[in-house]
Amino acid sequence: AQSVSQHNHHVILSEAASLELGCNYSYGGTVNLFWYVQYPGQHLQLLLKYFSGDPLVKGIKGFEAEFIKSKFSFNLRKPSVQWSDTAEYFCAVNSYGQNFVFGPGTRLSVLP
Amino acid sequence: DTAVSQTPKYLVTQMGNDKSIKCEQNLGHDTMYWYKQDSKKFLKIMFSYNNKELIINETVPNRFSPKSPDKAHLNLHINSLELGDSAVYFCASSPGTSGHLEEFFGPGTRLTVL
Repeated sequence: AQSVSQHNHHVILSEAASLELGCNYSYGGTVNLFWYVQYPGQHLQLLLKYFSGDPLVKGIKGFEAEFIKSKFSFNLRKPSVQWSDTAEYFCAVNSYGQNFVFGPGTRLSVLP
Repeated sequence: DTAVSQTPKYLVTQMGNDKSIKCEQNLGHDTMYWYKQDSKKFLKIMFSYNNKELIINETVPNRFSPKSPDKAHLNLHINSLELGDSAVYFCASSPGTSGHLEEFFGPGTRLTVL
């Protein structure tokens, strides 16, 4: 069965700092990878996704993620965070015929 | 237009009651899901329906019963509510059951059982 881990439970940054959130998955076959964001009190929104092609994926709001197949990783990055990026971030994986598996989430707090 | 909608947004009820949460999607998707997000923000799939048929039922107590009257609706009925059922329940939909497809989430229903 697939599993998804996220390295950091809670990350605290100052505005303008760079961000990298780790995500690793356990499935060895072909996977599709996603990052979702959940702002306080809101539903999940898709930030970016990787299906195939260029392993460096650009998403909304200046986020990007890099798929490294050899490391089973799909880390999320942003060069300069803003206070409005404060949210919970979820990495998710699915593959053919399988349901989504979400990671446990990483809470990002950005201090103004 | 809201793509995936849920009602109610908040639900406060007593232990032992029976309640329902409704979900509708206007995206024409074939597959709908129910997720439970606990107090630690952990998301876990509960049910998956494809074209009105149940295709996955994770280890969920049988007090929880999904009902899909048509492809655009997937309601969640909960009998004999317990304190541990307090959580946020998210409905989602996707175009199909295979990979290469993202899921679109509803706004969530915060259930509080007293």
